[in-house]
Amino acid sequence: EAQVTQNPRYLITVTGKKLTVTCSQNMNHEYMSWYRQDPGLGLRQIYYSMNVEVTDKGDVPEGYKVSRKEKRNFPLILESPSPNQTSLYFCASSIQGRSYNEQFFGPGTRLTVL
Amino acid sequence: GENVEQHPSTLSVQEGDSAVIKCTYSDSASNYFPWYKQELGKRPQLIIDIRSNVGEKKDQRIAVTLNKTAKHFSLHITETQPEDSAVYFCAASGTGGFKTIFGAGTRLFVKA
Repeated sequence: EAQVTQNPRYLITVTGKKLTVTCSQNMNHEYMSWYRQDPGLGLRQIYYSMNVEVTDKGDVPEGYKVSRKEKRNFPLILESPSPNQTSLYFCASSIQGRSYNEQFFGPGTRLTVL
Repeated sequence: GENVEQHPSTLSVQEGDSAVIKCTYSDSASNYFPWYKQELGKRPQLIIDIRSNVGEKKDQRIAVTLNKTAKHFSLHITETQPEDSAVYFCAASGTGGFKTIFGAGTRLFVKA
């Protein structure tokens, strides 16, 4: 089944404790992206990747890191999480990295930073 | 910076009525305008999209219109049904890169 998966789905952590949210897609998509969703603010893009080893900042990259060592995986790293990073996070992928292709979203990761 | 404004934030309609959601974008280089539907507790899913070389696109009860001059695009849902109740997001992206800017969302309630 073609899909985007994220792990973990739910995470409660404490300020300053490094964490990684994994994202994997099995559709051979070149483009992958991370968003955070907050009430009243919609989806805001954190980072995106057009291909392996090619990443760029979205609108809200501060406090986050990403890597794209393999085509299928695009992990989101929070080196020192803070309470303002409490949010619902979505990973998405798109075919061929073109700007006008549908993005397929993962199921989301709800992160709480205490 | 670039932004997408979406209105209204909440919309309540009677079953069978039409619903219209409007978005305005700021980046004139934007050339792709998708609409995503997000049901409660679920992931966003594409319902319709339009490219800048087209003024209108229709798919059954859903249509999208684009006015590039005014930088406006709208989602029209006709004959609304209770299962249309969800949050709808508009978005804009352009050839200058692969940034996608989403609107803040519209929560649509369809009352039976």
